[in-house]
Amino acid sequence: AQSVTQLGSHVSVSEGALVLLRCNYSSSVPPYLFWYVQYPNQGLQLLLKYTTGATLVKGINGFEAEFKKSETSFHLTKPSAHMSDAAEYFCAVNDAGGTSYGKLTFGQGTILTVHP
Amino acid sequence: GAVVSQHPSRVICKSGTSVKIECRSLDFQATTMFWYRQFPKKSLMLMATSNEGSKATYEQGVEKDKFLINHASLTLSTLTVTSAHPEDSSFYICSGRIGETQYFGPGTRLLVL
Repeated sequence: AQSVTQLGSHVSVSEGALVLLRCNYSSSVPPYLFWYVQYPNQGLQLLLKYTTGATLVKGINGFEAEFKKSETSFHLTKPSAHMSDAAEYFCAVNDAGGTSYGKLTFGQGTILTVHP
Repeated sequence: GAVVSQHPSRVICKSGTSVKIECRSLDFQATTMFWYRQFPKKSLMLMATSNEGSKATYEQGVEKDKFLINHASLTLSTLTVTSAHPEDSSFYICSGRIGETQYFGPGTRLLVL
């Protein structure tokens, strides 16, 4: 079974400050990991993903995340927050090697607020 | 690339009626689509996996006779909420799968009066 824990349901930062959204996962097989962003009343947009290879992955809008197997983490960062980054962010894991290939398990989400 | 659309974006219906929501992959073929339900301030709950040309696979606790899923082509899956009740009011989101990645539609807001 796989699970995702996002630490902190709400994160508030000032514009220009570092953004750090935490995600820890549990998976019995090598995981595929994803970060999605959701703006109010909209669907989810893929920010970035890790499948294999380089553990530091870069995504859209200046976001990046690092897969750390030893820490079972996949934290999302952005060096400098912008007002337009205010949204809800979801971390998700895909059971890559299991029978439920393609099914995602989502974390509870983190709402990012950016102050001027 | 990898664009998914949903129609309608919002729908209001009376209790007891049925509502159909369409999910289309616009620039790719999706043999597998997923249907989710999202409650206010909550994460996504997977309802079912829709497979082209075969029956959908429903998650535990989801009534298959209430939430009818049809995946008749490689670009279209439909979710029909039958005999809708106010407790079915929610935000329904679909996704299409390319390899290990899911691409999501914009969602459909259903309000049952």
